[in-house]
Amino acid sequence: AQSVTQLGSHVSVSEGALVLLRCNYSSSVPPYLFWYVQYPNQGLQLLLKYTSAATLVKGINGFEAEFKKSETSFHLTKPSAHMSDAAEYFCAVIGDSARQLTFGSGTQLTVLP
Amino acid sequence: EAGVAQSPRYKIIEKRQSVAFWCNPISGHATLYWYQQILGQGPKLLIQFQNNGVVDDSQLPKDRFSAERLKGVDSTLKIQPAKLEDSAVYLCASSLAPIWGSQETQYFGPGTRLLVL
Repeated sequence: AQSVTQLGSHVSVSEGALVLLRCNYSSSVPPYLFWYVQYPNQGLQLLLKYTSAATLVKGINGFEAEFKKSETSFHLTKPSAHMSDAAEYFCAVIGDSARQLTFGSGTQLTVLP
Repeated sequence: EAGVAQSPRYKIIEKRQSVAFWCNPISGHATLYWYQQILGQGPKLLIQFQNNGVVDDSQLPKDRFSAERLKGVDSTLKIQPAKLEDSAVYLCASSLAPIWGSQETQYFGPGTRLLVL
């Protein structure tokens, strides 16, 4: 069955530093992969998605992610963190169970001044 | 373009009571989803509608949860009777078409935060 593992439930970075949020997936078929962001008391907003076109995907707010099949990874990065990036981030996959979007448990990003 | 609307935003009930949540998807979106998000976890799909028909309700606890989407637009999710473990955020999402093997994007509402005492 498809699954997603997000390493690190909490990540802290200084403002201006690199953001790296890790996501590994499991799927027996080529997956579609997504990153969503959730601000407090709000719904989820799509940051970016991988749908088998380019392996390096650029999203909103300066985020990007690279699909690495050999590592079954889809890590999210941003070169320079901003205070407004503080939120919870979810990686999700559509793979074996093609009818469902399966989410990871989330990573809470804190940006320190 | 208006987003996905949900109400109420917050609800507190006693266990064994009933509760209902309402969702209005983005206009023209045929597919509607209800998710349960327990604190510290990612959202889990409860039920998916295509127009007014149920496509997937395999993870819906049917002994206490029910959902409907009359006329293929608005939807309601009901819990009766509620248990303590139902405390969670209930998210509604919609998409133009099913996401199965496709590039469709799901758009989420702000959610209803339920606390069962």
